[in-house]
Amino acid sequence: EDQVTQSPEALRLQEGESSSLNCSYTVSGLRGLFWYRQDPGKGPEFLFTLYSAGEEKEKERLKATLTKKESFLHITAPKPEDSATYLCAVQESGGSNYKLTFGKGTLLTVNP
Amino acid sequence: SAVISQKPSRDICQRGTSLTIQCQVDSQVTMMFWYRQQPGQSLTLIATANQGSEATYESGFVIDKFPISRPNLTFSTLTVSNMSPEDSSIYLCSAADRVDTEAFFGQGTRLTVV
Repeated sequence: EDQVTQSPEALRLQEGESSSLNCSYTVSGLRGLFWYRQDPGKGPEFLFTLYSAGEEKEKERLKATLTKKESFLHITAPKPEDSATYLCAVQESGGSNYKLTFGKGTLLTVNP
Repeated sequence: SAVISQKPSRDICQRGTSLTIQCQVDSQVTMMFWYRQQPGQSLTLIATANQGSEATYESGFVIDKFPISRPNLTFSTLTVSNMSPEDSSIYLCSAADRVDTEAFFGQGTRLTVV
């Protein structure tokens, strides 16, 4: 069965203090790995999709990387507005099934 | 990216009653989904809403409890039937255009059953 584990569960940073969030996964074959950001009271907001090991994508202070067993979301010089829950999801390859399997998320708090 | 609107945004319901949640997408999409998000738990797929046919349910979810409709390519409803306090959760509508592209989410419906 697919499994997605995110760590840490919660992370508190000072503004400007860079760090990384981890998403480890076990699937028989990976079609794609997705990162979302979720603010309180809102639905998940799409950030990145990664499809193959070695792939990297960047957006402002965020950079996502992918290996065969895990993905990292690197946050460089975070600001308070980066505070949110970051969700990782995997999609298994094969067939027309779209199903996303999510981790429990990492709650990031950035203090000014 | 698609904009997805859900109604209601929140509700408090009596046990034993049913609630229907509406999901409207601002453009035609191939696929629509319904998720449940319980406190401290992962976002969990309830079912894929199929246009013109019965929804495809994930393990642990049944049509009698969560009937779903999808009359066209922009609209879907999820009904939570015969509610109990265990059904208190956030329910999210999602849509995607292709199997290898990202899914977009509505803002969610926060349901409390008392």
